[in-house]
Amino acid sequence: DQQVKQNSPSLSVQEGRISILNCDYTNSMFDYFLWYKKYPAEGPTFLISISSIKDKNEDGRFTVFLNKSAKHLSLHIVPSQPGDSAVYFCAAAYYGQNFVFGPGTRLSVLP
Amino acid sequence: GAGVSQSPRYKVAKRGQDVALRCDPISGHVSLFWYQQALGQGPEFLTYFQNEAQLDKSGLPSDRFFAERPEGSVSTLKIQRTQQEDSAVYLCASSLSAGVFNEQYFGPGTRLTVT
Repeated sequence: DQQVKQNSPSLSVQEGRISILNCDYTNSMFDYFLWYKKYPAEGPTFLISISSIKDKNEDGRFTVFLNKSAKHLSLHIVPSQPGDSAVYFCAAAYYGQNFVFGPGTRLSVLP
Repeated sequence: GAGVSQSPRYKVAKRGQDVALRCDPISGHVSLFWYQQALGQGPEFLTYFQNEAQLDKSGLPSDRFFAERPEGSVSTLKIQRTQQEDSAVYLCASSLSAGVFNEQYFGPGTRLTVT
């Protein structure tokens, strides 16, 4: 039973437009969430995080939104750039437990 | 500065062979994690070290999997009598502080193929 779901395996967006990547979770105890980005043949790199006391966190072109009642979070990238093309993983945890990762969404930003 | 390194990057093993995968974390990082990533899936937690102490090994899938970090720095993940279902990318990550809520820096992974 997947506790963290990313239901879109892939997403294509035109350069300059907004990319929205979605993540749903089932465990209501999760209270800390991360997004990681992964290029081929490299390990994942940390992108942005959010704790459950907030509903939004912004870092440059990247914004993460958390809807606790819906157990849903999303990553917005504005404007999208070709270098953003990668696999994006959502991960969730609660105190004392290790992170659970979603299966990833492959983003392609088309020039 | 140097990031997390892993060796070998690729390993092909015949079913039944033992393998050892090495992780060199970022110098001074207290915490070290091992993950298994199957094709098309996200990383799945295997085990966690704080310095040389293995605090959590709940994710190790069987007693064929063993990890150590004897001096609190380099870590080795050993898989005995490999099976085809062990084929995956094994990722190592380290973080500066103790605990799991700190930013983890990942290595490039070791791709293990069991034939």
